[in-house]
Amino acid sequence: DTAVSQTPKYLVTQMGNDKSIKCEQNLGHDTMYWYKQDSKKFLKIMFSYNNKELIINETVPNRFSPKSPDKAHLNLHINSLELGDSAVYFCASQYQDSRGELFFGEGSRLTVL
Amino acid sequence: GQQLNQSPQSMFIQEGEDVSMNCTSSSIFNTWLWYKQDPGEGPVLLIALYKAGELTSNGRLTAQFGITRKDSFLNISASIPSDVGIYFCAGLLYNNNDMRFGAGTRLTVKP
Repeated sequence: DTAVSQTPKYLVTQMGNDKSIKCEQNLGHDTMYWYKQDSKKFLKIMFSYNNKELIINETVPNRFSPKSPDKAHLNLHINSLELGDSAVYFCASQYQDSRGELFFGEGSRLTVL
Repeated sequence: GQQLNQSPQSMFIQEGEDVSMNCTSSSIFNTWLWYKQDPGEGPVLLIALYKAGELTSNGRLTAQFGITRKDSFLNISASIPSDVGIYFCAGLLYNNNDMRFGAGTRLTVKP
């Protein structure tokens, strides 16, 4: 069973469209994250949720809206997609007190044309 | 935010050679971690370090948490082709979910 699963794995869409990426973890973790990895492989934190509450919200455009219906799910919705949004988006989870021991999903590669 | 400076950016080595990479910061971290990312996959935790001066091994991998809490290194001994990938250092402040990653070291191992 996949511990942290993201869907879709690949997403190709036109500029201006709205899209969502879903993430689910079956590890019983209480903290979940979204990271963005650009073409140079740099990993940048976007959001962090702890027990469905937003903990970290980096300087991400408000076109990006995370939603956590329960502590096992953290979805990412992106409005009005732009070319610069093209990247690989990683979901990750951890126990709150595990001090950095993140479990990552396989990533969702978003290409905006 | 806290910046992590990771070096080298890339390494091309022969199978069997040892590898060393490091990470420095102007900020003090209470946890240092090393992750590896294979192509098409998410990063996977290799080693976590929780105390200044701590030296920890995981098979052929050895990592140390610097005494100043501002740096860490990772060594890989006797490299093999499956060591290929991108290695990331990461730092975490105490009681903080905000983990910062270095820019990564891309390792290529020639058989």
